[in-house]
Amino acid sequence: AQTVTQSQPEMSVQEAETVTLSCTYDTSESDYYLFWYKQPPSRQMILVIRQEAYKQQNATENRFSVNFQKAAKSFSLKISDSQLGDAAMYFCAYKYNSGNTPLVFGKGTRLSVIA
Amino acid sequence: NAGVTQTPKFQVLKTGQSMTLQCAQDMNHNSMYWYRQDPGMGLRLIYYSASEGTTDKGEVPNGYNVSRLNKREFSLRLESAAPSQTSVYFCASSGLGLAINEQFFGPGTRLTVL
Repeated sequence: AQTVTQSQPEMSVQEAETVTLSCTYDTSESDYYLFWYKQPPSRQMILVIRQEAYKQQNATENRFSVNFQKAAKSFSLKISDSQLGDAAMYFCAYKYNSGNTPLVFGKGTRLSVIA
Repeated sequence: NAGVTQTPKFQVLKTGQSMTLQCAQDMNHNSMYWYRQDPGMGLRLIYYSASEGTTDKGEVPNGYNVSRLNKREFSLRLESAAPSQTSVYFCASSGLGLAINEQFFGPGTRLTVL
């Protein structure tokens, strides 16, 4: 079974600084997707960024980028120029690319942004 | 488009009571999912429906039943609520083709069982 591990229960960052959230996963598959979701206090799950395993290029969305290391099964999220609105729970998730297989989530990292 | 909607947003039950959580999506998605979120546990899959008329168990199905009423709606029922089912419940949906790999989530239902 696939597993996703987020080893940092909590992180903090100064406003305008950069922070990296870690995620590792375990799978025997080669074709899959990886995601980072943000959950602010409103509870809404918001997709931040996604990465297709067959793509070597790391995904980027504005201030959010990933470092995808397929051989190491590592998928970290870098947030640049951190803003107060980035404070939230962040979940790493894995999905096998075969039909309607569900997401497998890590336990989350709570990010605090200090003004 | 409303996306994925869930009702109710909050609910308090007594042990042994039953209730149904409702979920609807207006994106014409084939697949729908129910997750629960507990502190320190992330989101765990309860049940999912790959298409209208089909349902499958996820990681934590015990104590729950589901119904895929039509393509739009996917309900989750607790027949006899227990305190261990106190949680936040999320419904999600996904489409076809390349869109199958992105799930859209509802706002969640906070359920407390006393």
